This record gives sequence, C-alpha cells and structure tokens, in this order.
Amino acid sequence: GEDVEQSLFLSVREGDSSVINCTYTDSSSTYLYWYKQEPGAGLQLLTYIFSNMDMKQDQRLTVLLNKKDKHLSLRIADTQTGDSAIYFCAETLNDYKLSFGAGTTVTVRA
Amino acid sequence: GAGVSQTPSNKVTEKGKYVELRCDPISGHTALYWYRQSLGQGPEFLIYFQGTGAADDSGLPNDRFFAVRPEGSVSTLKIQRTERGDSAVYLCASSLSGGGVVYGYTFGSGTRLTVV
Repeated sequence: GEDVEQSLFLSVREGDSSVINCTYTDSSSTYLYWYKQEPGAGLQLLTYIFSNMDMKQDQRLTVLLNKKDKHLSLRIADTQTGDSAIYFCAETLNDYKLSFGAGTTVTVRA
Repeated sequence: GAGVSQTPSNKVTEKGKYVELRCDPISGHTALYWYRQSLGQGPEFLIYFQGTGAADDSGLPNDRFFAVRPEGSVSTLKIQRTERGDSAVYLCASSLSGGGVVYGYTFGSGTRLTVV
C-alpha cells in the first residue's frame, strides 16, 4: 500500500471551494506534487511545491505545506464541473522516483 | 512527438500469455519511467531508464516482468506468463533528463491491461 494517504472521496457544489488533504511520510522529500487524472487519460501535473515553501498559489489553486505535520493540501477555488477528476498527491523518494497516494475522487455537483 | 505515446491503449489477454506494451517518449527525453496503477490505487514505480540502461528496476514485481529501451528512445515492457493480478493500467512517463522531479515528468495515457 501507499505511504502517502488521502481521503478517497470529496463532493462539492459548483462554485464552492474544494480542499483535498494529503499526509506524506518522507520528511526529506524535496518536492510535493498534485496530479489530476480524468477518465481514460494519463496524469496531468497540476502544481507542485518545493519543500522550503509554506504556500504556493497558481490561479484557482492554492497549495499549503505543513512540514512539521507532513501535511499537504490543495484548495481549488470556484470549483467547476471540469474539475471533476481524481487528484493524486505525490512525494519524491529521490530525484527520479515518485510515491503516490491512492487518489481523491472529486465530484462536482450542480 | 508532442507527447508520450503508449500502445496499445487497451489489451485483453488470456492468463498465461505473453504481452508487450510500448512507450514512445517525447523526442529528446533521455529519462523514461514505467509505473503501474491498479484499480483504485495510485501509480506505483516499476522501472527507470536513463538512456538505454535501466538505472533502477527495483519496482518490477517479479522476474516475469522485463523492460528494454535498446536505442534510448522507445521502451517495451514485457510480461511473461500473465496472471489475473497483472491487470492494471501501465503508465509510461518521460523527462528531459534524469531527475524527473526537477525537470518534470510527462505521462502517457497508459495501456489498460486485462488478463482473463
């Protein structure tokens, strides 16, 4: 099983904010990532954060990193139907290997 | 090419058969990775190529799995004597150089393998 843990499901109303949480294990991870996977598609990199940062904002996406608690979150503002997908948190085990969580399925309802 | 291409997109095979899955990385990307994604799980690392050589094959589950990249471009993942537990989506990714965490990975759409 994965060492990276995420809640499995999130349902959110269109226009509201979504918050997806993740707990990782390797305190030496240099980068932490959020990937998006739509049905039948590969993984799309949404955003990443370097381990010496606490927060990163990119348009509707905000990533928060709490290194002390090894907690990572992704906030999506003004969630749209196109945001319905599976979101994966990933940590770096070394400079080429990623460890993924099981994914959070986000469903956006009208 | 513009992206990472994987063929076939779907493969159904009978238990015990041999299968080959192909990955065509982005032109110029020297690093190539295979991951396996089982149903309801996140991708798990299988193998990493730097050029023609496998720099890390620690994720291959057993000796039925083998991967090659003879010319440092296209890679083939080979599975012998397939078992139902091998059913999964096999994802390929490439990056400009080794250290994909710095240069960024590009993932293909995957090959969905079903062993019946």
